[in-house]
Amino acid sequence: DTAVSQTPKYLVTQMGNDKSIKCEQNLGHDTMYWYKQDSKKFLKIMFSYNNKELIINETVPNRFSPKSPDKAHLNLHINSLELGDSAVYFCASSHVTRYNEQFFGPGTRLTVL
Amino acid sequence: KQEVTQIPAALSVPEGENLVLNCSFTDSAIYNLQWFRQDPGKGLTSLLLIQSSQREQTSGRLNASLDKSSGRSTLYIAASQPGDSATYLCAGGSNDYKLSFGAGTTVTVRA
Repeated sequence: DTAVSQTPKYLVTQMGNDKSIKCEQNLGHDTMYWYKQDSKKFLKIMFSYNNKELIINETVPNRFSPKSPDKAHLNLHINSLELGDSAVYFCASSHVTRYNEQFFGPGTRLTVL
Repeated sequence: KQEVTQIPAALSVPEGENLVLNCSFTDSAIYNLQWFRQDPGKGLTSLLLIQSSQREQTSGRLNASLDKSSGRSTLYIAASQPGDSATYLCAGGSNDYKLSFGAGTTVTVRA
């Protein structure tokens, strides 16, 4: 009965590889987000989709590409991974009329070696 | 652009003491203010959400206040317990779908 789920929970990979993180929510929300939490614990928005349409695209390298096959899923694909990409990535979702009340997934800890 | 600051970065108290966590923000046109709890290696759990038209919210031992004019929010946790040990994050919401987070206050409650 998990509300927002992410897979995998941990991801260890080599520099230069391409990897994906998946997110699914069963809350019936129509807006989903990706956040990055760096080593200093700051959470920063990366992307947001509303009904499969991109509505937020912060200053993120174009190696990062979100994909939303439907409004319950928002995946994050990262090309040519770099050491600086190591962080915890959180997915979140909200209802369109309460878009600041966001529910977060458990996070994916990405380590690039 | 909303900037959110949380001071102190870490706090250690004996069990039973009341906790006071501070959050300040720069843009008074805040849409709402949300407090989260993050346990090590875990995701974020929403604790309290205060809309811009409200001054406070309460849930059990938790009480959060919002003062837009001074750009401050305070989270009070009464009679702290070791299980309250975690990192507490505040986030300011704007009308463009974005949450601006502080860096958090890491709380340790000593038994």
